[in-house]
Amino acid sequence: GAVVSQHPSRVICKSGTSVKIECRSLDFQATTMFWYRQFPKQSLMLMATSNEGSKATYEQGVEKDKFLINHASLTLSTLTVTSAHPEDSSFYICSARGETGNTEAFFGQGTRLTVV
Amino acid sequence: GQNIDQPTEMTATEGAIVQINCTYQTSGFNGLFWYQQHAGEAPTFLSYNVLDGLEEKGRFSSFLSRSKGYSYLLLKELQMKDSASYLCAVSRNTGFQKLVFGTGTRLLVSP
Repeated sequence: GAVVSQHPSRVICKSGTSVKIECRSLDFQATTMFWYRQFPKQSLMLMATSNEGSKATYEQGVEKDKFLINHASLTLSTLTVTSAHPEDSSFYICSARGETGNTEAFFGQGTRLTVV
Repeated sequence: GQNIDQPTEMTATEGAIVQINCTYQTSGFNGLFWYQQHAGEAPTFLSYNVLDGLEEKGRFSSFLSRSKGYSYLLLKELQMKDSASYLCAVSRNTGFQKLVFGTGTRLLVSP
């Protein structure tokens, strides 16, 4: 299957700082990438859909000014958690789908964010 | 909006068969995926159904009934390593065909 690389895998930051998470599709062009958040023992919650060259589409209840998403190229999307607070601590996962649309989504390894 | 429901937890013994159900209510249904996720790791793809019926892949099979908004994942010959969370996800034919996940089922396989 296709490879999606997410970096960093773990990050600890201080309250009030910003953290950037990268998601790269290594061997295919991902016109669309998705960002999820997962709390312990819960399922994945879709935060936003990232489309190359345009503004991200956020799900209801997700603060777009807090979770900045940029899809700079067909292989790279970034999520920046701005002014992080301890309640932002979570597991963040990106996924990417190829241009054919209705195929499986390939997931990055996830990023464990801890805000202290 | 959409509702995608699964049992929260299930237990089974090694060598047995277990069926994990998923019911959904959504507009623009365009396929259903099953993923496996071990703690602290990203989900891995198991199966995909878009038409009614059973898809078999080794020890895992997945069934879909579009009219009933129902799917199940069948795991045969359970192994200890099958202890994980199993997530069903619905692909919606709206906009970017985003994948929305169900509540997830934690499966514990005991000896």
